[in-house]
Amino acid sequence: EDQVTQSPEALRLQEGESSSLNCSYTVSGLRGLFWYRQDPGKGPEFLFTLYSAGEEKEKERLKATLTKKESFLHITAPKPEDSATYLCAVQARDYKLSFGAGTTVTVRA
Amino acid sequence: SQTIHQWPATLVQPVGSPLSLECTVEGTSNPNLYWYRQAAGRGLQLLFYSVGIGQISSEVPQNLSASRPQDRQFILSSKKLLLSDSGFYLCAWSTGTSGGGTQYFGPGTRLLVL
Repeated sequence: EDQVTQSPEALRLQEGESSSLNCSYTVSGLRGLFWYRQDPGKGPEFLFTLYSAGEEKEKERLKATLTKKESFLHITAPKPEDSATYLCAVQARDYKLSFGAGTTVTVRA
Repeated sequence: SQTIHQWPATLVQPVGSPLSLECTVEGTSNPNLYWYRQAAGRGLQLLFYSVGIGQISSEVPQNLSASRPQDRQFILSSKKLLLSDSGFYLCAWSTGTSGGGTQYFGPGTRLLVL
């Protein structure tokens, strides 16, 4: 069974304090690893797709990386507006997505 | 550009009452459509997905059913709600073959069963 584990569950940062979120996974035939951002009471917003080990993608203060067993979401010099829950999901051979429980990031000014 | 709508945004229903949640997608043809449920502190759970009109796959045996009467419309239903049906229901779409591709989510429906 495909499994996705995200850590930590919660992360409190000071504005400007860079940090990383971890997503470790086991999946039969990885087709893609996805990162989403979810604000309270809203649907997840797509951020990145990574397809193979060694791949990296960036968007503003966010950078996602992928290895054969885990992915990291690096937040550089975060701002309060980066506060959200970040979800990781893996897509297996059958194209279905399995989600982690998420990491809730709070950035204080 | 593509847009996905869900309604209602919030719903409070008594136990044993019926349910109908609707999802529509604009700006794309023949999308793959998905229903997820999100419980507090847990990951999204895939409930149903559809790769075409009338084609529904169920992932979790439960009190719910889904239908796709039109290409860009996906409906989640129940004949009798249970307390355990409470949660945040999300619809998503993608355009990849065989149900794949990046999934884009709607705004969600918050369901509280009392």
